[in-house]
Amino acid sequence: GAVVSQHPSWVICKSGTSVKIECRSLDFQATTMFWYRQFPKQSLMLMATSNEGSKATYEQGVEKDKFLINHASLTLSTLTVTSAHPEDSSFYICSARGLVRQGGGNTIYFGEGSWLTVV
Amino acid sequence: QKEVEQDPGPLSVPEGAIVSLNCTYSNSAFQYFMWYRQYSRKGPELLMYTYSSGNKEDGRFTAQVDKSSKYISLFIRDSQPSDSATYLCATSHGSGNTGKLIFGQGTTLQVKP
Repeated sequence: GAVVSQHPSWVICKSGTSVKIECRSLDFQATTMFWYRQFPKQSLMLMATSNEGSKATYEQGVEKDKFLINHASLTLSTLTVTSAHPEDSSFYICSARGLVRQGGGNTIYFGEGSWLTVV
Repeated sequence: QKEVEQDPGPLSVPEGAIVSLNCTYSNSAFQYFMWYRQYSRKGPELLMYTYSSGNKEDGRFTAQVDKSSKYISLFIRDSQPSDSATYLCATSHGSGNTGKLIFGQGTTLQVKP
């Protein structure tokens, strides 16, 4: 089964409103979580890296005031898209890095993604 | 120049064919290489994970890394219609597995029955 859960799977919101996406690691503690964005027929672009208990590190060109990331616990990170606009419509995917099985080493697992449509 | 280059395809093959998917990368410091499969409107699923050069086999899948030419490949034997998906190569930024992945554009594969 999935080891990283994202919620919601899809969301439609009005322009100007904010929307929160959750990313949970189900079977392990994720010291680090990553947020990606993917436009149709394009690759995943890393937006930010989030470590539990500290501020997220944003990639160049990503507005940290627009894409708020909170990693409050070892199993939960949230991405809030503030004052959303139609150009923010995209597929947002999180990944989590952690030790899933003893002796297995740190592995990176992806969530199922969240489709955001801003109308 | 993109750090990871991948032909987006699409690639269409008959069922049972051997599929070869390829990527090139620019930074010789990359050491961890991954192949992900992504079905439409879903998150990526890890298929293969290799460190440094060499081959790794898992069932019908073989991953190959040639660091001298900065070339990574994924071979799928006896391809099935269920293999139809987008395949993304990725590498981990820096010399270790930091978890910050750089992806290729992805190659769309269609396996026809």
